Amino acid sequence: GAVVSQHPSWVICKSGTSVKIECRSLDFQATTMFWYRQFPKQSLMLMATSNEGSKATYEQGVEKDKFLINHASLTLSTLTVTSAHPEDSSFYICSARDPGADTEQFFGPGTRLTVL
Amino acid sequence: QKEVEQNSGPLSVPEGAIASLNCTYSDRGSQSFFWYRQYSGKSPELIMFIYSNGDKEDGRFTAQLNKASQYVSLLIRDSQPSDSATYLCAVRFGNQFYFGTGTSLTVIP
Repeated sequence: GAVVSQHPSWVICKSGTSVKIECRSLDFQATTMFWYRQFPKQSLMLMATSNEGSKATYEQGVEKDKFLINHASLTLSTLTVTSAHPEDSSFYICSARDPGADTEQFFGPGTRLTVL
Repeated sequence: QKEVEQNSGPLSVPEGAIASLNCTYSDRGSQSFFWYRQYSGKSPELIMFIYSNGDKEDGRFTAQLNKASQYVSLLIRDSQPSDSATYLCAVRFGNQFYFGTGTSLTVIP
């Protein structure tokens, strides 16, 4: 099956700093990638849809100036959490759709962000 | 607003029993329906998907879809302790997927 990687798998940072998370589709080209956030004991919340070569589409309530998304190539999307604060601590998961497997999305392993 | 609802549980079943997980969704335009399993601290893994009314079986798992009632379920037969996890229902609408809050399942040896 299609493989999606994320880097880093975990990160700890100080409040006020910015953190970049990378999402890569390893064996397919993903025109669309998704970014989710999951707080403890809660479900995945879609943050934004990332389309290669165009601006991301953000869900209601997600600050686009705080969560910067760049989908510069068909295999890479990045999420940058700017001026991170403790309330941004969460599990961030990306997923990608393989055009050859139209009904599915493939998840990355997730990135655990802790902001001190 | 596209809503996907699940009973959060926890649901406990003895080993070998059938576990039944339910999900309802609000948007009749939803196209495909997915069940994911998520272990603590891990990302979701796909169990199966269904997009036609009726039943779809894959090994010990059976998904059931009733579009008229906007209801999708997952049955796990011969439940094993390794099935203990949170099960997420997801609904695809257009290009996006919307998730329920998940049902926590514990299989008791």
